[in-house]
Amino acid sequence: AQSVTQPDIHITVSEGASLELRCNYSYGATPYLFWYVQSPGQGLQLLLKYFSGDTLVQGIKGFEAEFKRSQSSFNLRKPSVHWSDAAEYFCAVVLTSGTYKYIFGTGTRLKVLA
Amino acid sequence: GAGVSQSPSNKVTEKGKDVELRCDPISGHTALYWYRQRLGQGLEFLIYFQGNSAPDKSGLPSDRFSAERTGESVSTLTIQRTQQEDSAVYLCASSLAGRAEAFFGQGTRLTVV
Repeated sequence: AQSVTQPDIHITVSEGASLELRCNYSYGATPYLFWYVQSPGQGLQLLLKYFSGDTLVQGIKGFEAEFKRSQSSFNLRKPSVHWSDAAEYFCAVVLTSGTYKYIFGTGTRLKVLA
Repeated sequence: GAGVSQSPSNKVTEKGKDVELRCDPISGHTALYWYRQRLGQGLEFLIYFQGNSAPDKSGLPSDRFSAERTGESVSTLTIQRTQQEDSAVYLCASSLAGRAEAFFGQGTRLTVV
């Protein structure tokens, strides 16, 4: 069955440090790939997406992600974290056949130390 | 409207009561999704509507859950005889036909006491 794995439930980084959030998926073909951010009490905000083409995608708020087909991964990165980046981050895939149904990972909660 | 709108934003109900949650998708979006997010967990797919096609109900957890959609507009998610395990945030999303990118509402936080 299709699945998305975010192996890190919690991550703590210092402000100004770099960040990498991991995401791996299991699917027979290349799905569409997304990263969303959810601040406390808020809905989901799209950070970036990958459909095809250049495997390094740029998103909002200085985030980027790299699709690696050989590793079935779509890791999210930011070179310098800001305190306002503290939130929960969800990786999601959308299957490219039939229903455009999102399959979400369980999320990574990011804490930023001042 | 400018975005996906969900109402109410918060709902507290007694165990055993029925509840209705409402979603107004972005105008022109023919696809509509409902997801559930339990505390500390990821999002679970519940149901998907696409135009006049039969909905994909594969994620509904029990027959107490049902959803309707009026044409290509408003959708209601109904939970009958609510249980405490139904407490969660229920998120609605919509997208254009044939487009994978969905836009999410703020959610309805349901608390069953």
